[in-house]
Amino acid sequence: NAGVTQTPKFRILKIGQSMTLQCTQDMNHNYMYWYRQDPGMGLKLIYYSVGAGITDKGEVPNGYNVSRSTTEDFPLRLELAAPSQTSVYFCASRNRDRDNSPLHFGNGTRLTVT
Amino acid sequence: AQKVTQAQTEISVVEKEDVTLDCVYETRDTTYYLFWYKQPPSGELVFLIRRNSFDEQNEISGRYSWNFQKSTSSFNFTITASQVVDSAVYFCALSHNSGNTPLVFGKGTRLSVIA
Repeated sequence: NAGVTQTPKFRILKIGQSMTLQCTQDMNHNYMYWYRQDPGMGLKLIYYSVGAGITDKGEVPNGYNVSRSTTEDFPLRLELAAPSQTSVYFCASRNRDRDNSPLHFGNGTRLTVT
Repeated sequence: AQKVTQAQTEISVVEKEDVTLDCVYETRDTTYYLFWYKQPPSGELVFLIRRNSFDEQNEISGRYSWNFQKSTSSFNFTITASQVVDSAVYFCALSHNSGNTPLVFGKGTRLSVIA
């Protein structure tokens, strides 16, 4: 199993450009998440999804959009990139169970907006 | 509201020293889960442990141990006889029992182990 796969690993955008960060998992997990990590700030939740067709905002959703058309894929869309979106983005997934199973993380996408 | 505080931003120790990373959490829920993750310099996030709020037994895994104390809302992590490979950022995280609740992370503690 590949687990959680994120593409691309690195990207440089100019202000105002748009892009989609891809995330796919092959573990048949219901729950998927997007976090961003800024230096010294830990991980902050952008959006999450509890299943295909269902998405919810996290702590820092402004400037982003998501969709969840399949169980496997959870892309994150930046429509008008801004320097404040320079960050490392992590996608994660986990199984739906009673005992709050741990998150499985992708390896991250490092995005720079200049 | 849920909150996780890792007051130690950076810690440096000499190899073979013991080190404790502090984690204090806030929640109004009676049932919740606590986690520790490790982020080595390569950048990936590695799950270390999960503990539910009803299990206050301390846990030991090799050189790692965890001390969960509900009375002080703390879930501290100790590395015994630290090694250079332990150098990483360590995150404590919290979620409540509802299955779809995302994890709330602390800001992390950067541990540097010097040879």
